[in-house]
Amino acid sequence: SAVISQKPSRDICQRGTSLTIQCQVDSQVTMMFWYRQQPGQSLTLIATANQGSEATYESGFVIDKFPISRPNLTFSTLTVSNMSPEDSSIYLCSVVKRGAGPYEQYFGPGTRLTVT
Amino acid sequence: AQKVTQAQTEISVVEKEDVTLDCVYETRDTTYYLFWYKQPPSGELVFLIRRNSFDEQNEISGRYSWNFQKSTSSFNFTITASQVVDSAVYFCALSESTSGTYKYIFGTGTRLKVLA
Repeated sequence: SAVISQKPSRDICQRGTSLTIQCQVDSQVTMMFWYRQQPGQSLTLIATANQGSEATYESGFVIDKFPISRPNLTFSTLTVSNMSPEDSSIYLCSVVKRGAGPYEQYFGPGTRLTVT
Repeated sequence: AQKVTQAQTEISVVEKEDVTLDCVYETRDTTYYLFWYKQPPSGELVFLIRRNSFDEQNEISGRYSWNFQKSTSSFNFTITASQVVDSAVYFCALSESTSGTYKYIFGTGTRLKVLA
């Protein structure tokens, strides 16, 4: 398995502001992903965080709204920009460990965001 | 296109009853992976099982068992002698190897309530 931490664990933010969420892994990973889970909904993939290059975004998600960084093999950030109440969700990062099969994804504990 | 359907939105059972959670998937790939995750009220995703498309053997782990049937594109999950601690949202997910990124497609989840 992998030990994944996310900061903050939860936050309440005002409309129009931005929040950066950090994802830290205890070992090097090959792939990192960011998901969103809106209240009472399933998980939706936002993007794949690529080390040293721009993230790959899924349909419906854009870099201006959700800029992502991944400076190394153990760390990534997701920023939720210009927030609105519709951005209230749980944001989760997931990783594929180096040396493990690509189908072995581990999820972080999530960041619970409320936008007022 | 890939898709995962969990038709049961919510199920309530009395403790010690058996319960089966249904999962039906769609994919054009011959190589793919199926997963079940548990999300307790704390929000963290707990990995339960992974199955690849070439392994149709059913699996049992304690009170949990999984029935994978390619003929009906189903991967159902049964909890035997349910307990209150089993109360959670359960997600089924699919990952296709040819997508290159191994991203997961999640079903909408089934909320299981086990009553004492």
